[in-house]
Amino acid sequence: DVKVTQSSRYLVKRTGEKVFLECVQDMDHENMFWYRQDPGLGLRLIYFSYDVKMKEKGDIPEGYSVSREKKERFSLILESASTNQTSMYLCASSTSQREVWEQYFGPGTRLTVT
Amino acid sequence: AQSVTQLDSHVSVSEGTPVLLRCNYSSSYSPSLFWYVQHPNKGLQLLLKYTSAATLVKGINGFEAEFKKSETSFHLTKPSAHMSDAAEYFCVVGGTGGFKTIFGAGTRLFVKA
Repeated sequence: DVKVTQSSRYLVKRTGEKVFLECVQDMDHENMFWYRQDPGLGLRLIYFSYDVKMKEKGDIPEGYSVSREKKERFSLILESASTNQTSMYLCASSTSQREVWEQYFGPGTRLTVT
Repeated sequence: AQSVTQLDSHVSVSEGTPVLLRCNYSSSYSPSLFWYVQHPNKGLQLLLKYTSAATLVKGINGFEAEFKKSETSFHLTKPSAHMSDAAEYFCVVGGTGGFKTIFGAGTRLFVKA
C-alpha cells in the first residue's frame, strides 16, 4: 500500500514564526501536492511538484513556499505564519501524468496559528 | 473552465437504507471523475474513479457511481448504508493543464442507527 506520512498531526505556532510541514511518500511517486482544507471550501491546491526540484503554483500559493530536494519528500514552508493560515494541511502523491488525479493522501496536519 | 458542484452539504440516512450523494460537473471535454472519502481526522481515500471506460463504476465498500454525460452528473450511491459510512465525501474532476484537480466542497454523510 502507498503510504504518505506527515511530520505532525497537530501543530501550534505563533504569528510570525517560520513553519515547516514535512511530507514523505514511500511509493516512488513523481507527483506530490500540498492542499489546505477549510470547512465549506473543500480542498484548495497550494503547490505541486512533478519532479525533484520542480514546483508549480496552485490556486493559493501566497504566503507559502515549497521544497523538494528528494523524490520522496515534499516540504511546505510558511515563511511568516499568520492567523489566516490556521487550517488543515494535506499532502498527497500520485504516479505519472496519466494517473495524476488518482492521489494518495496523508493524514493531515492541523495547524493553529495564534 | 471546469467545475464540480456537490448538491448537498449534508445528507442523513438511516442504517440499512440507500445512500445518494449528488455531484454535477462542468467540463469542455471528457473528464476524469473521482469520489474520495474522508473519515474524521483522516486523510482522503479514493473510493472510485471514472476514466472514460464503463459508465457505471464500482468502488470500495459497496459504493458505485454512474457517469451520465447528458446530465453532466456523477452521483455516488450505495444500496444499504452502514454506520461506518459516516464521513465526508468529495467529488473531484481532473482538470486541464495536467495537474489541476478540482474538488467539490464536500458532502457530509450522517448515518442514524
